[in-house]
This record gives sequence, structure tokens and C-alpha cells, in this order.
Amino acid sequence: DAGVIQSPRHEVTEMGQEVTLRCKPISGHNSLFWYRQTMMRGLELLIYFNNNVPIDDSGMPEDRFSAKMPNASFSTLKIQPSEPRDSAVYFCASSLVGEANSPLHFGNGTRLTVT
Amino acid sequence: GIQVEQSPPDLILQEGANSTLRCNFSDSVNNLQWFHQNPWGQLINLFYIPSGTKQNGRLSATTVATERYSLLYISSSQTTDSGVYFCAVVSGNTPLVFGKGTRLSVIA
Repeated sequence: DAGVIQSPRHEVTEMGQEVTLRCKPISGHNSLFWYRQTMMRGLELLIYFNNNVPIDDSGMPEDRFSAKMPNASFSTLKIQPSEPRDSAVYFCASSLVGEANSPLHFGNGTRLTVT
Repeated sequence: GIQVEQSPPDLILQEGANSTLRCNFSDSVNNLQWFHQNPWGQLINLFYIPSGTKQNGRLSATTVATERYSLLYISSSQTTDSGVYFCAVVSGNTPLVFGKGTRLSVIA
């Protein structure tokens, strides 16, 4: 299995631009999570999906952030417009939740720098 | 919500030494996992251990759910063990809640 795949690995953009981060979860997993990691705040859960449905987006910092999961094998996290304080590493993770729970597996992350 | 506290926050070891990392949580859990974030930033799942003991090579973990703690043991530490170790728990239907981590530095 290829694991959780995120793209791009690095993104540098200017303030005000739109940023789209992409994630392909592990095949067969039914839950997908987006996290943000910074030195100041550590790992923060932004949003998670079960069976492609957003369950809890209370961690999304502002309306500038949105996430979609159009099918079981793809999710996007969009920031529009981006701001310098959005600079962080964004992780996607997936697992199987239910009667046969599985460990959470992370992608390698996208390092976002907004100048 | 549930609180997760990890100790110590920082640890420096000589290569070959053993160590114990602790994770305390404030409520009953139905899921507990340990992760290692290596110096390149990758987050690797080490153990899925809501209760009992598991071993994987030089690493082992024990969770005593009734007493609300989990321990991660690292034996014969190597420089490649350096990084941050996170404990994360699920209580009820909430998603994983992460502790702040223990930063481990293993010196040759």
C-alpha cells in the first residue's frame, strides 16, 4: 500500500492567493482527517470526514478555510485568500473507524509558506 | 474534553540507554495510539494500544486504561530514535486528541 499521499510537498505563495492542498487516503479507509502543525499550537485537528461526509469542522480557523471530499479516494483543503499566519505544515491522515478500528496513518504533509 | 498530558516534555539520552515516556489522560478511552515524528517531520504510527501490552523490536507500550495512563518504553536507544513522541486518545465518539509530545534527543 502506498500510504496516505499528499501533494504538493511544499507550497510557497503570496498573501491573498488561493492555496489548494490535496490528499489521497489509504484504500479502504473510511475516515479522513486534516491537521495543521505549528510550533506555537502543536497538532490541531481542522476537520474530519466519515464516509466522505464532514463530521466536525469546528477546528477550521476561519471561513477562508474549506475542505471537500468528493469521493472515497480524494480530499482537498483550500485556503482563500491565504495569509502569512496560515504558514504551517498541513497533514492529512486516514483510518478505518467502526467495528474493525485501525491505526491512524499520516501523509508526509504539505509545508505551506505564505509571504 | 479529554486532557492528555505527556511527560517528560524533553529528554536527552546517551545512545544505548533505556527510557520510559508517560501519557496520562483524564477520562476513559476506547482508543490510544503512540506516534513518532522523526526529524524530517514524518509522523509514524508506533502502536495502537487501548489496553494491554505490545512490543515491536526495541519499543514496547503498556496501557492501563483503568488507571488512565500509558507508557512507551525504548530500550537500547539509537540516534534514529530521536524526534517527538506523541500519545493520542479517543474518548467516546471524538476524534483522536493529541498530547503535546515528548521531544527525545539521543546522543552518540
